Amino acid sequence: QKEVEQNSGPLSVPEGAIASLNCTYSDRGSQSFFWYRQYSGKSPELIMFIYSNGDKEDGRFTAQLNKASQYVSLLIRDSQPSDSATYLCAVNWRSGTYKYIFGTGTRLKVLA
Amino acid sequence: GAVVSQHPSRVICKSGTSVKIECRSLDFQATTMFWYRQFPKKSLMLMATSNEGSKATYEQGVEKDKFLINHASLTLSTLTVTSAHPEDSSFYICSAGTSGRPGTDTQYFGPGTRLTVL
Repeated sequence: QKEVEQNSGPLSVPEGAIASLNCTYSDRGSQSFFWYRQYSGKSPELIMFIYSNGDKEDGRFTAQLNKASQYVSLLIRDSQPSDSATYLCAVNWRSGTYKYIFGTGTRLKVLA
Repeated sequence: GAVVSQHPSRVICKSGTSVKIECRSLDFQATTMFWYRQFPKKSLMLMATSNEGSKATYEQGVEKDKFLINHASLTLSTLTVTSAHPEDSSFYICSAGTSGRPGTDTQYFGPGTRLTVL
């Protein structure tokens, strides 16, 4: 079983719509959760981090964490074509160890 | 936000040569630096984790004698690919962490180095 799972996509949404990206993880001891955006040929760029259950909003982005269900999601409101990229979910690996496991990423396409 | 630089951005070398890649945290002190490799259309693969002043911790299957990591200060880590071969061609990305405590940490990536070994 993979430690961090994401749907590879592509997820296609029309411009202006809400894009919903999901991630599940296997280690119940995980404490830090991150969403990165990666454009083709570029390195990942940090979008959001979340540590506590619930929602965290930053501009058009909202991260949602549910530790009981081992689930973290990213909502992108008013999606723009420039949001088209691969979104990587990352989780710290094992409680107390400073190391991260990345999902394989979900490719998002925002259609103009 | 935190800035991580990486140099060089692109390198082409002959088989058998060694290549050094530098990773610097420009506006913060990084408690830990990470080195990843990414093949086309694949996810990030963690190679090693390094803390300033101590030996790097390598992931299973990563040859420590081939991928030498030096973490000289809280702002600088280097990766040297020794005796590079074509199969080492990849996108190498470093990241720097702002805290060693899960639940309070963040990790920022450098722009990456594209290595091509002929």
